[in-house]
Amino acid sequence: GAGVSQSPSNKVTEKGKDVELRCDPISGHTALYWYRQRLGQGLEFLIYFQGNSAPDKSGLPSDRFSAERTGESVSTLTIQRTQQEDSAVYLCASRVSNEQFFGPGTRLTVL
Amino acid sequence: LAKTTQPISMDSYEGQEVNITCSHNNIATNDYITWYQQFPSQGPRFIIQGYKTKVTNEVASLFIPADRKSSTLSLPRVSLSDTAVYYCLVGDSGWGNTPLVFGKGTRLSVIA
Repeated sequence: GAGVSQSPSNKVTEKGKDVELRCDPISGHTALYWYRQRLGQGLEFLIYFQGNSAPDKSGLPSDRFSAERTGESVSTLTIQRTQQEDSAVYLCASRVSNEQFFGPGTRLTVL
Repeated sequence: LAKTTQPISMDSYEGQEVNITCSHNNIATNDYITWYQQFPSQGPRFIIQGYKTKVTNEVASLFIPADRKSSTLSLPRVSLSDTAVYYCLVGDSGWGNTPLVFGKGTRLSVIA
C-alpha cells in the first residue's frame, strides 16, 4: 500500500514569504507528527495530532508556525514570514500502535 | 515522557557486532522501547521494538534487562550500509495523546 507522502519535495523561498507544506498520511492512521531536522541534527518534534483530540503544539518554535489536519487525513504545516533559520527538512510521520512511518520530507531553503 | 540517553557517535569496522546502549531510567510500566534507523536524506524507519528480555528480527536484536532502565540494540556483522543514525524511543503503545519524540540519536559510522 501507499506510504506517507509529502509535497513539495523541495521548496526554495525568500525570507519573509509564507510557505505551506503538505502531508498525506497512511490511510487509517489516526496519529500524525511533524518534525523538523536541521542539517546534521536530530529530529525536533513540532506538533502531534491524535484523532479528534486537540493537537499537541508544544514543539512549535514560534507563532509563525501552525498546522492543521482535516479529520484523519491530510495535514498542512504553515510557516509564516519565513526566516533563514527555518531552513531544514520537515518530516511528517503517521503512526499505528508504537511504530511511526515517515514520509520522504520536504527540504525547505529560505534565502 | 521517558527521557533517553544514548552515545552521540560510534565507529565500527565491517563485519563486527555493534551494540548501542540507551538509558531510560524513568521508563513507565506501560512503555515499550523502540529503535529507529535513519539514513542520510531519508526519514527514519522502524527497526525493532520490545518490552522486556530479548527480541530478535532479521535486522537486529534488542536486549532489555529486568529493570528495563536501559536497552541495547545489537547489530550483527555490520556492513558499510549500516552507517546511519540510530534512535531509541520509549513510550506506550496505546492510543493516548502522548506523542513519541526522538532524541539526538547515535551516529554509527562503519569503516571498511
